[in-house]
Amino acid sequence: EAGVTQSPTHLIKTRGQQATLRCSPISGHTSVYWYQQALGLGLQFLLWYDEGEERNRGNFPPRFSGRQFPNYSSELNVNALELEDSALYLCASSFDRIYEQYFGPGTRLTVT
Amino acid sequence: RKEVEQDPGPFNVPEGATVAFNCTYSNSASQSFFWYRQDCRKEPKLLMSVYSSGNEDGRFTAQLNRASQYISLLIRDSKLSDSATYLCVVNLSGGSYIPTFGRGTSLIVHP
Repeated sequence: EAGVTQSPTHLIKTRGQQATLRCSPISGHTSVYWYQQALGLGLQFLLWYDEGEERNRGNFPPRFSGRQFPNYSSELNVNALELEDSALYLCASSFDRIYEQYFGPGTRLTVT
Repeated sequence: RKEVEQDPGPFNVPEGATVAFNCTYSNSASQSFFWYRQDCRKEPKLLMSVYSSGNEDGRFTAQLNRASQYISLLIRDSKLSDSATYLCVVNLSGGSYIPTFGRGTSLIVHP
């Protein structure tokens, strides 16, 4: 069974640009979570989507947004990139909120 | 008090040692619990779920203490390959709560 996939693996952008990150969950999983992990720091919760709806968002500015498509894949958009947005962005999926999450390999975003 | 707290370590132990980590949580309505392992610059990988009756998988044992609101992870006969950061995760019941990750405990196993 295929795991969670994310694309691209690496992304280099300049300050002020927009970045789009993509995630495909494990088949059968309807919940998708996005996390930011800056170097040396813990996972910071960004967004949670379930059944196409945004269920919760973390303490991040509105320039971080996303959506979930009918096939449960998801997209994270970061507008007006800032240097401190450089981090590993992890996507995870689960069957339901209370069940374990499975992570993708992440997208490493570098903002110069 | 943080929702989920872990001692960041690092725990520096020799091969073959037994090491234990605790993770405390603040909300008594917490419903499900997990331990993850994260290697440097990699994604977290599920290590094991934590059940009320405890859970054992080879050298790893996880326990839940609801009265004192903590979960534990015991690693016996440590291997060099066990060196990683161990994250605990706590899920609350109901509403729009999301799973909460601890900051992780770093384990270094040396020869």
